[in-house]
Amino acid sequence: NAGVMQNPRHLVRRRGQEARLRCSPMKGHSHVYWYRQLPEEGLKFMVYLQKENIIDESGMPKERFSAEFPKEGPSILRIQQVVRGDSAAYFCASSPTHWGAVHYYGYTFGSGTRLTVV
Amino acid sequence: AQKITQTQPGMFVQEKEAVTLDCTYDTSDPSYGLFWYKQPSSGEMIFLIYQGSYDQQNATEGRYSLNFQKARKSANLVISASQLGDSAMYFCAPPPGTASKLTFGTGTRLQVTL
Repeated sequence: NAGVMQNPRHLVRRRGQEARLRCSPMKGHSHVYWYRQLPEEGLKFMVYLQKENIIDESGMPKERFSAEFPKEGPSILRIQQVVRGDSAAYFCASSPTHWGAVHYYGYTFGSGTRLTVV
Repeated sequence: AQKITQTQPGMFVQEKEAVTLDCTYDTSDPSYGLFWYKQPSSGEMIFLIYQGSYDQQNATEGRYSLNFQKARKSANLVISASQLGDSAMYFCAPPPGTASKLTFGTGTRLQVTL
């Protein structure tokens, strides 16, 4: 029973390039959450998606960032025209329902993608 | 809006000793509780334990337990018999409720020494 899978684990991009981060939730989980962690800081919420729907994107920067969770395939966090300030660890978490069993098992996080912009 | 506070940026504990990591929160939600996560140097976020406000007893999971004080709105994490592998960042977060998102505290860096 694989956990939340994120790839790549490390990603290096030059300024101005695009970064695509992938997240495959745990089997049976239909809710995906993206968080960003800047160095020496806690995780900050970015976006919450269900299949084919963005439920809450209140933490997403207004420009250059987008997220999707298609009917088939992983969730994608896309950062266009990356800048040095985008360098961070990006975590994906999944849960089986909006609330449900989460309080027993917690949200399951992936290992993160460490984006470095040079 | 919920406010979560971890007042200890760093803590040291000797191996085999117990340590308490503080977490308090400010919320008007009657169904409050707290998650605790561990983030080792490798970076992954590991769910440790959860305490719900309606739980009759303090939550316990192996060497982890919560000292839940409703009146103070705190759920401090107690790690007994510390091990070197417990060295990590520890984050607490209240349940998301209708907001869906977890709001983490600033974390406590625990260092276990010989």
